[in-house]
Amino acid sequence: DGGITQSPKYLFRKEGQNVTLSCEQNLNHDAMYWYRQDPGQGLRLIYYSQIVNDFQKGDIAEGYSVSREKKESFPLTVTSAQKNPTAFYLCASSPGTGEVDTQYFGPGTRLTVL
Amino acid sequence: AQSVTQLDSQVPVFEEAPVELRCNYSSSVSVYLFWYVQYPNQGLQLLLKYLSGSTLVKGINGFEAEFNKSQTSFHLRKPSVHISDTAEYFCAVSDPYSGGYQKVTFGTGTKLQVIP
Repeated sequence: DGGITQSPKYLFRKEGQNVTLSCEQNLNHDAMYWYRQDPGQGLRLIYYSQIVNDFQKGDIAEGYSVSREKKESFPLTVTSAQKNPTAFYLCASSPGTGEVDTQYFGPGTRLTVL
Repeated sequence: AQSVTQLDSQVPVFEEAPVELRCNYSSSVSVYLFWYVQYPNQGLQLLLKYLSGSTLVKGINGFEAEFNKSQTSFHLRKPSVHISDTAEYFCAVSDPYSGGYQKVTFGTGTKLQVIP
């Protein structure tokens, strides 16, 4: 079945540590996205990538980094510079072509900083 | 700049009763509109989308939404809810894809609680 996988589902981090969240898709989509979700705030865009080896900052990129070395993979690193990293992180992908570009979401990773 | 307002953060409703979840948007251009559903600790699942044409859009799980350009609204409705509809619902707006990044703006969500 085609879809988006995120791992791990739950992640615990000590303050000062970097941590990497995995996102893989087998939908052959060109575009991929990372969102952060906090209670009562909806989804906020961290980074997006429209093509391999290219990515752009979203609205809240500070303290995060990404890479896009393969079409199917878009890992997100939460660095120690992120002041409040505890949140639910969602990865999404979209075809990236055509006029309407619907985004499809993975199951999410819940990150908790201890 | 585009924005989305979901007027109700929580909506309790009895099982088998009808429900309407409200969504208003603002944008300087024509838009595409979406409703997503999120079950606890899961990702978002697309319920329905409005691109053009008929203003009444039907989606999965018996949901439908009506696009009203004059009122800049895209309210979600279901005539009879089930316990399994308990979830959080997000309205989203997107500018038409112009060759660059198609920015999607999400509302803050409405939690639907179906009461047995």
